[in-house]
Amino acid sequence: GESVGLHLPTLSVQEGDNSIINCAYSNSASDYFIWYKQESGKGPQFIIDIRSNMDKRQGQRVTVLLNKTVKHLSLQIAATQPGDSAVYFCAENSGGNTGKLIFGQGTTLQVKP
Amino acid sequence: KAGVTQTPRYLIKTRGQQVTLSCSPISGHRSVSWYQQTPGQGLQFLFEYFSETQRNKGNFPGRFSGRQFSNSRSEMNVSTLELGDSALYLCASSLDGGRNTIYFGEGSWLTVV
Repeated sequence: GESVGLHLPTLSVQEGDNSIINCAYSNSASDYFIWYKQESGKGPQFIIDIRSNMDKRQGQRVTVLLNKTVKHLSLQIAATQPGDSAVYFCAENSGGNTGKLIFGQGTTLQVKP
Repeated sequence: KAGVTQTPRYLIKTRGQQVTLSCSPISGHRSVSWYQQTPGQGLQFLFEYFSETQRNKGNFPGRFSGRQFSNSRSEMNVSTLELGDSALYLCASSLDGGRNTIYFGEGSWLTVV
């Protein structure tokens, strides 16, 4: 069935280092991808998105890379801070003009001071 | 600009009871989606409403239902509650779904005892 999966369940990095969170998706027809950050007890917070006609998009301290050939996307966080500690989810729009997202399992990012 | 608002934030119900959760989308957003989040299953799509019509539905039993009002506010209902329905229920809104940014509320924590 449709799925979006993350390679690593937990990522531990030193404060100030760069973080890379990876995600694989299975639906080659998907054309919109979103990264969310979820802190404990809160709802998912939008970080950055990318459409399939792009392979890279940058935000403030974050970059998303999309490789459609191998159906892989990644989230890069520059100069990781303690406030970045959270669970990160990639999500895939199932195609078409609907609000249905398929989520990955999530990666916990731990930032060590 | 107010975000997605969900009520109630926390509730405890008994098996067999039913529950109604409410969601007010961001002003101007017409698409409202619902998700269930559990530690074991992650984030799973329940259904999406657009212009008072259910546009998409996930793989949940008929005990889970929803509706959307003319002002785009939405409610979801779970009847005959089971212990396994204990979860964080998240509402998300976007302008019209699809490739527009989808924003989440803080969720409603449901515990079934």
